[in-house]
Amino acid sequence: DIQMTQSPSTLSASVGDRVIITCRASQSINTWLAWYQQKPGKAPKLLIHKASSLQSGVPSRFSGSGSGTEFTLTISSLQPDDFATYYCQQYNSWSLFTFGPGTKVDIK
Amino acid sequence: EVQLVESGGGLVQPGGSLRLSCAASGFTFSNSWMSWVRQAPGKGLEWVANIKQDGNEKYYGDSVKGRFTISRDNAKNSLYLQMNSLRAEDTAVYYCAPYLGSWGQGTLVTVSS
Repeated sequence: DIQMTQSPSTLSASVGDRVIITCRASQSINTWLAWYQQKPGKAPKLLIHKASSLQSGVPSRFSGSGSGTEFTLTISSLQPDDFATYYCQQYNSWSLFTFGPGTKVDIK
Repeated sequence: EVQLVESGGGLVQPGGSLRLSCAASGFTFSNSWMSWVRQAPGKGLEWVANIKQDGNEKYYGDSVKGRFTISRDNAKNSLYLQMNSLRAEDTAVYYCAPYLGSWGQGTLVTVSS
């Protein structure tokens, strides 16, 4: 099975900060990686798919990179609406999807 | 606008059964792989199951294999999850999701005596 890890688990930041979240896969998943944002009591929202493709309607301050086993989500200038929990997800095979444990971005 | 509305959640005793439904609109349902994903209270996301567009391929997470069945009715633009032999650890909000698309708001399943 493919395991996903994320770091850090919690990140304290201020508005305007550049934020980087890392996601690692236990084996290569090429670029079959998505990033989701979730706010309390809400459904997750897709931000990025195929490691670096920005979902329609998502602000350009969000970007993704990586391939193989190491990936990053970058928020170039953190906005008040961005305080949330972020999850990576691998979808390398239809027979097994896996989510990372999440990274909570809170206010410093 | 893509819309997914889950229903069928509720309180059920351990060992019981429940059938979740997801009504889809705003996209071509029959062209999309579909998934169920769940989230236990205060926990992260857990993939539950996938189903191919024509329903002929189905895959399950290890924690639900043999107990849950995913199905779909393309004529009704609907996705289902039959959950049997429910356990306390199945307590979660269950979301339906199209491949790389918007998710529904979820339906809460509580397994407790």
